[in-house]
Amino acid sequence: SQQGEEDPQALSIQEGENATMNCSYKTSINNLQWYRQNSGRGLVHLILIRSNEREKHSGRLRVTLDTSKKSSSLLITASRAADTASYFCATDVPEGGSEKLVFGKGTKLTVNP
Amino acid sequence: DVKVTQSSRYLVKRTGEKVFLECVQDMDHENMFWYRQDPGLGLRLIYFSYDVKMKEKGDIPEGYSVSREKKERFSLILESASTNQTSMYLCASSLDRGVGQPQHFGDGTRLSIL
Repeated sequence: SQQGEEDPQALSIQEGENATMNCSYKTSINNLQWYRQNSGRGLVHLILIRSNEREKHSGRLRVTLDTSKKSSSLLITASRAADTASYFCATDVPEGGSEKLVFGKGTKLTVNP
Repeated sequence: DVKVTQSSRYLVKRTGEKVFLECVQDMDHENMFWYRQDPGLGLRLIYFSYDVKMKEKGDIPEGYSVSREKKERFSLILESASTNQTSMYLCASSLDRGVGQPQHFGDGTRLSIL
């Protein structure tokens, strides 16, 4: 079952610009994570934000979480060509005493040099 | 850094074959996961395991089974491969059952069933 949905599906910007990707989800969460996937590779964890947090920073990444709207955004500032990748949000779903993640379909970001 | 290694990057098999995809992690993680990734459908969870010899069905377990005989190794088995199982398969691991654990992924196996 799909929990998170990213928006837009694809985004093309110039190097140096900021890139903003959004994620909406349906049910209550404990935390939300963002991942990055380079073409043909596995996913790499970028940042986790807990339900009681509103904003979190990591280098050029800024994540916000609005639990009342069930949405999150990922901002990449001063983008570089190397940021070209697909970005996924993932929300936690308690399952059988453990925790699994449900991933959205991703935003494909292209940063043009 | 955690390293998750999938045995093959590319694999071509024939319809009806029994296919084994292997995944090994080197950080003593308790949880391991198998996903498939298809264009337009995103990542879908096939099976996961939170302990040796334990397994739990994910969202799309039909046509698959798994084996976890050792903590570091999690195998995905296609009992009788079919063309609709052509996909990118991703293995992941996470530390334990604690809330908010990031998952660490291998580079994937692109499987083609002819």
